[in-house]
Amino acid sequence: DTGVSQDPRHKITKRGQNVTFRCDPISEHNRLYWYRQTLGQGPEFLTYFQNEAQLEKSRLLSNRFSAERPKGSFSTLEIQRTEQGDSAMYLCASSLPGRYSETQYFGPGTRLLVL
Amino acid sequence: AQTVTQSQPEMSVQEAETVTLSCTYDTSESNYYLFWYKQPPSRQMILVIRQEAYKQQNATENRFSVNFQKAAKSFSLKISDSQLGDTAMYFCAFTHAVNTDKLIFGTGTRLQVFP
Repeated sequence: DTGVSQDPRHKITKRGQNVTFRCDPISEHNRLYWYRQTLGQGPEFLTYFQNEAQLEKSRLLSNRFSAERPKGSFSTLEIQRTEQGDSAMYLCASSLPGRYSETQYFGPGTRLLVL
Repeated sequence: AQTVTQSQPEMSVQEAETVTLSCTYDTSESNYYLFWYKQPPSRQMILVIRQEAYKQQNATENRFSVNFQKAAKSFSLKISDSQLGDTAMYFCAFTHAVNTDKLIFGTGTRLQVFP
């Protein structure tokens, strides 16, 4: 499978705990994006990387959220001190550089439930 | 700010019939990209079709075609010969052409195809 992969697919945690999600983009894609999708809504942009540089962060990304892409390959999204409002599907997407960078390919998502 | 509006929360169609999903958007940009993504139940987001705003010709992909009306800022998706496997949430999305970063999504239309 050469698509975008995400791990874990599901995560249940208690309020106040920290969680970390991983995303592996399609191998030749240098752009990587994180979105959050709540029930019945479209995905909302959180942040994106070009190679290892984090180029934009949404206001949705509070200081409890941090994302990294240390070597320009996989990325992690960490949520500290989780709250019930963090329950959502976290989607990762990647895209090619240059002319085709506008087309993003999505992973299966990590569904987070905060109890 | 750019916005994407999908005014049909739910649609249904009989197998083999044609259905059209509506999308309108708001932007001050002249060059951008528009997309339709499909998200089947409990499955990942899949790109259905892509349209470049500077191209007047409507994009088509097999049974899927769009009606792109730039002046009206309208981008509808027509699904011909509907199949049971077309049952899914459909999201309309927008991104800039100059600085292709985040996708802005609508709230989605849930399409049910009946036998």
